[in-house]
Amino acid sequence: QKEVEQDPGPLSVPEGAIVSLNCTYSNSAFQYFMWYRQYSRKGPELLMYTYSSGNKEDGRFTAQVDKSSKYISLFIRDSQPSDSATYLCAMGKGAGKSTFGDGTTLTVKP
Amino acid sequence: GAVVSQHPSWVICKSGTSVKIECRSLDFQATTMFWYRQFPKQSLMLMATSNEGSKATYEQGVEKDKFLINHASLTLSTLTVTSAHPEDSSFYICSAREGGGAHEDEQFFGPGTRLTVL
Repeated sequence: QKEVEQDPGPLSVPEGAIVSLNCTYSNSAFQYFMWYRQYSRKGPELLMYTYSSGNKEDGRFTAQVDKSSKYISLFIRDSQPSDSATYLCAMGKGAGKSTFGDGTTLTVKP
Repeated sequence: GAVVSQHPSWVICKSGTSVKIECRSLDFQATTMFWYRQFPKQSLMLMATSNEGSKATYEQGVEKDKFLINHASLTLSTLTVTSAHPEDSSFYICSAREGGGAHEDEQFFGPGTRLTVL
């Protein structure tokens, strides 16, 4: 069983929809939680970084961490075609190395 | 801030040659740099972790003699693919971590290098 599970999708939504991306994990030692966006043939770009449980909002993006359920989410409001990308969740134990999910491919249709 | 560059962005080489890829943190000092490999439509596969001034730690199944990593300074790490073969063709991505405080595990990625071995 993988330490981090992420539904690969693909996920297709109409422009303006609210998108929910999720990851589950099994290792309770994870303390740092990240979401990255990766466009085709580009390096991942850090979107959100959270420490421990709770919510964090940045513009149209909201990250949620529920450590009791070992579940993290990324919500995208008012989704745009430019949000079409692969979204990777990642988690760390404070030792520098992160464990990545396999990524969810999102397409936002105009 | 937190910009990581990679050079070259793409390279084509003949089988049997060696290729060097550079990764630089432009506006911060990276205590740790990571090298990943990514095949089309697949996730990142961590190859190795390198700390400045020390030997890299390779993930299981990654040949350290084939993928040479040097982390000579706090802003530069290099990956050399030695005696490259077509199966080494992939997208290689580095990331850098400054570390410390609440951003302990935050990594910033380079744009990637696409290697094609003929």
